[in-house]
Amino acid sequence: DAKTTQPTSMDCAEGRAANLPCNHSTISGNEYVYWYRQIHSQGPQYIIHGLKNNETNEMASLIITEDRKSSTLILPHATLRDTAVYYCIVNSGGSNYKLTFGKGTLLTVNP
Amino acid sequence: GAVVSQHPSRVICKSGTSVKIECRSLDFQATTMFWYRQFPKQSLMLMATSNEGSKATYEQGVEKDKFLINHASLTLSTLTVTSAHPEDSSFYICSARGSGRGPDTQYFGPGTRLTVL
Repeated sequence: DAKTTQPTSMDCAEGRAANLPCNHSTISGNEYVYWYRQIHSQGPQYIIHGLKNNETNEMASLIITEDRKSSTLILPHATLRDTAVYYCIVNSGGSNYKLTFGKGTLLTVNP
Repeated sequence: GAVVSQHPSRVICKSGTSVKIECRSLDFQATTMFWYRQFPKQSLMLMATSNEGSKATYEQGVEKDKFLINHASLTLSTLTVTSAHPEDSSFYICSARGSGRGPDTQYFGPGTRLTVL
């Protein structure tokens, strides 16, 4: 699976949009971009995933560049409960796919 | 989203005893379940992958005789830490993927914190 690079930490003001970047320059054509987050002492929570097109759900939006070498997860109106470690993972999917977790980005939402 | 539960959420045991952790997919059938371990201030590390009705596939460096995995039904997988030692103290997390929930998404349980004295 392609490797991803994320900033170690970011801060965001409550109510503002949080934009979390991820670089995946070695991504191959059949690999998806997944985002998960982990709030302290809890299991990871699935947020969103995409292949080529931008995606939006009730939690977030995922913007993937045209060359697919980077993406941005957008939390439109961050709340204090969005403070967590956010993981960007690239994976080809498939019946037995395995997720490889890096260090992620610690997003701290400040009041 | 899909719901995956784990039991117990927290367990403390003496060195040398065995501990069983259950992972259940509550609203979907999980054809594949995964077990992860997370040490303090570190990321999740995959331990093993199990498919319903077949033997688990362990990651390199994970002792299959120490971490017994059973995936006997489409909604239940268990991880037994045998002869636990203090270095096995960790946060154990399961995840599940299966039919009806899209082909490409894992859903995680809340985790089990194991402390071996």
